[in-house]
Amino acid sequence: DVKVTQSSRYLVKRTGEKVFLECVQDMDHENMFWYRQDPGLGLRLIYFSYDVKMKEKGDIPEGYSVSREKKERFSLILESASTNQTSMYLCASSLGQWQETQYFGPGTRLLVL
Amino acid sequence: QKEVEQDPGPLSVPEGAIVSLNCTYSNSAFQYFMWYRQYSRKGPELLMYTYSSGNKEDGRFTAQVDKSSKYISLFIRDSQPSDSATYLCAMSLSGGSYIPTFGRGTSLIVHP
Repeated sequence: DVKVTQSSRYLVKRTGEKVFLECVQDMDHENMFWYRQDPGLGLRLIYFSYDVKMKEKGDIPEGYSVSREKKERFSLILESASTNQTSMYLCASSLGQWQETQYFGPGTRLLVL
Repeated sequence: QKEVEQDPGPLSVPEGAIVSLNCTYSNSAFQYFMWYRQYSRKGPELLMYTYSSGNKEDGRFTAQVDKSSKYISLFIRDSQPSDSATYLCAMSLSGGSYIPTFGRGTSLIVHP
């Protein structure tokens, strides 16, 4: 079974703090994704990566950056957290090539005060 | 118009009922269709996927794709309280596109 793990289930941060969310997958997947999920808005793609050191902006990249130094690890960085970044953050991975099925981690609920 | 439309619900049914969850879409090029189940405060988990048109069955779950109507369905037979969750549909192009388009999810409540 594919396993996608996220570093924290719950996180409370203050406005202006730099926040790191880590995601690790153990199935040698090529692609990794970061989404945020908010009530009524569904899943929104922040960033994704096709390969090590590659990154592409999703639909809502503003205020976020990412890092993929190793194939299995994809980090999301909130440079200066703001209250409107309070959300559920979900990491996903997929095999690549024709395989579009994504496998999700358990999510990190981030509260920015 | 969103590319994928899904009624948010909630859909409330008694235990044992047959549940029908649906999505419509506008992009006729979508070829790959997925259903995810998401329990409260958890990440989505893949339930089923189908390629192109037709039906696929897995236990109490049946996924159906009607490409002519741009309509997909997930049927749950003999629904259980443990089926209470949000169900998200997702779909994508094939042959090189890696990012599915997700519906917003339908909340299902199965009461005993």
